[in-house]
Amino acid sequence: AQSVTQLDSQVPVFEEAPVELRCNYSSSVSVYLFWYVQYPNQGLQLLLKYLSGSTLVKGINGFEAEFNKSQTSFHLRKPSVHISDTAEYFCAVSDTAGNQFYFGTGTSLTVIP
Amino acid sequence: DAGITQSPRHKVTETGTPVTLRCHQTENHRYMYWYRQDPGHGLRLIHYSYGVKDTDKGEVSDGYSVSRSKTEDFLLTLESATSSQTSVYFCAISEPGQGFQPQHFGDGTRLSIL
Repeated sequence: AQSVTQLDSQVPVFEEAPVELRCNYSSSVSVYLFWYVQYPNQGLQLLLKYLSGSTLVKGINGFEAEFNKSQTSFHLRKPSVHISDTAEYFCAVSDTAGNQFYFGTGTSLTVIP
Repeated sequence: DAGITQSPRHKVTETGTPVTLRCHQTENHRYMYWYRQDPGHGLRLIHYSYGVKDTDKGEVSDGYSVSRSKTEDFLLTLESATSSQTSVYFCAISEPGQGFQPQHFGDGTRLSIL
């Protein structure tokens, strides 16, 4: 089975500053990795996903994530955040056979004006 | 945006009463999911469906049942609600060929059981 750990439950950051949201996974098999965003009172939206190929994945809203197999990590980054990026962010992992899919516990990003 | 509608959006009920939540999609996708979201737990899978009348359990299925009689509708039932089932419930769908990868979510149902 897989699991995913989001190391920070809350991340405050000032507007226009860079941010990194951390995600580590554990698995004995090959995985796919995902980041989702949830705005208040809404469902989740897929930000980006890693399936194969380049380890640097670009997503919507200027976010990107890098798959690091040796460190079993998939951290999410944005070079300059906006107030509108304030939201809950979830990392998720699945096996490549498509049989299991697990979410992390989420990181609440607050952008401070 | 994927057409996913959850109803009701909010519900307050009493312990021991039956509750049914509805998820309706306009995309005609095969895979549908029910998740619950609780602080400190993220989203946990309750049940999922891979076609009409084809459903299976997720990691927190106890106390819940589902039905899918049409491609577009996936119902979640709490036969006898308990306070531990107070949560926000999300329905999700996968696009064709993506397998077990929920990609589009409804806006959620906030359920309070007193």
